[in-house]
Amino acid sequence: EIVMTQSPATLSVSPGERATLSCRASQSVSSNLAWYQQKPGQAPRLVIIGASTRATGIPARFSGSGSGTEFTLTISSLQSEDFAVYYCHQYNNWPPEYTFGQGTKLEIK
Amino acid sequence: QLQLQESGPGLVKPSETLSLTCSVSGGSIGTVTYYWGWIRQPPGKGLEWIGSIYYSGRTYYNPSLKSRLTMSIDTSKKQFSLDLSSVTAADTAVYYCARQDMDTAMVTARFFDYWGQGILVTVSS
Repeated sequence: EIVMTQSPATLSVSPGERATLSCRASQSVSSNLAWYQQKPGQAPRLVIIGASTRATGIPARFSGSGSGTEFTLTISSLQSEDFAVYYCHQYNNWPPEYTFGQGTKLEIK
Repeated sequence: QLQLQESGPGLVKPSETLSLTCSVSGGSIGTVTYYWGWIRQPPGKGLEWIGSIYYSGRTYYNPSLKSRLTMSIDTSKKQFSLDLSSVTAADTAVYYCARQDMDTAMVTARFFDYWGQGILVTVSS
């Protein structure tokens, strides 16, 4: 099983500032990585696919980077609606054994 | 706009079978370009992939759940289902159904792009 490790567990950032979230895979997943945003009481929402491509309707302030085992989600100029929990998800295996990171909570400083 | 809706009992007794159905509207479930998946989230915890099913009935299960899991699909009803047997308190979670995008070139399923709202299932006597 590929283990996904996210850091930090909690990130406190002020509105208008930049947030950088990390995700590390226990072995290479190439660029087969997605990021999701989840707000309390809601289902996850797809943010980034293929490590760096914004999903449909996602604002340009969201960007993803990385490949192999190290990935980053960057949110520039944080808006109030961006404060949520973010999960990374690898989909590299076939037959699949999809795994998620444990999440990073992005909170208002 | 594609919509997914989970349904089923919110309370299941230990050792019994948890059965959920996902109803899909606003799009076809019998397409070659998508898988359909289940993901769960224990209260206050992270996401766990349960399994995925293709319109043909081909399934892929999380190895940790495989011995207790059965998934099925009914394209005529636009529904797919989950049966998880011999449940314990550890199976208490919000269960989500989701559409899974497929890389048609590689014939592999990828990320989850549409999600249901989730249903809380509690395992308790």
